[in-house]
Amino acid sequence: DAKTTQPTSMDCAEGRAANLPCNHSTISGNEYVYWYRQIHSQGPQYIIHGLKNNETNEMASLIITEDRKSSTLILPHATLRDTAVYYCIVRDISNFGNEKLTFGTGTRLTIIP
Amino acid sequence: EAGVAQSPRYKIIEKRQSVAFWCNPISGHATLYWYQQILGQGPKLLIQFQNNGVVDDSQLPKDRFSAERLKGVDSTLKIQPAKLEDSAVYLCASRPPGHRLFGELFFGEGSRLTVL
Repeated sequence: DAKTTQPTSMDCAEGRAANLPCNHSTISGNEYVYWYRQIHSQGPQYIIHGLKNNETNEMASLIITEDRKSSTLILPHATLRDTAVYYCIVRDISNFGNEKLTFGTGTRLTIIP
Repeated sequence: EAGVAQSPRYKIIEKRQSVAFWCNPISGHATLYWYQQILGQGPKLLIQFQNNGVVDDSQLPKDRFSAERLKGVDSTLKIQPAKLEDSAVYLCASRPPGHRLFGELFFGEGSRLTVL
């Protein structure tokens, strides 16, 4: 699976949009981008995934650049409960034996009141 | 729907002792994972089961770690003997069948191990 690079930490004011970048410059055509988050003392929680089109669900939006070398997770109206570590993961779905997720160190997002 | 259940939540042992963690995945979830998360790091996969068979245990330190899922439902992860560097949170996750390509993983709250 391609390697991802994320900032170590970010702050965002409560009520504002939180934009979390992820670089995956070596991504290949069969690799999807997944985002998970981990709130303190809890297990990781799935947020969203995408291939090349922008995606939106009730939690967030995922914007993937046209060349697919980077993406941005957007939390439209951040609340204090969004304070967590956010993981960007790239997974090759064409590898039928590879159903695991490989986590990096993620971005620690702190929402400021 | 009940989530992934893990126990115990916390365990403190001395080095060279043994410990076991239990995981009960969401009902019907065929795939089960054990991850190790050391403080300040992302989770690292230890072992993956599909029903009661092992799919991937390449990162499991087999000299001291073992895991089983005998009936394809709940699972146990054992460490014997424990070392100081085994201090970590042990996370169990499961995934529903029919979602191999795109399905999300559901994680439990984890079992925090401290080795003194």
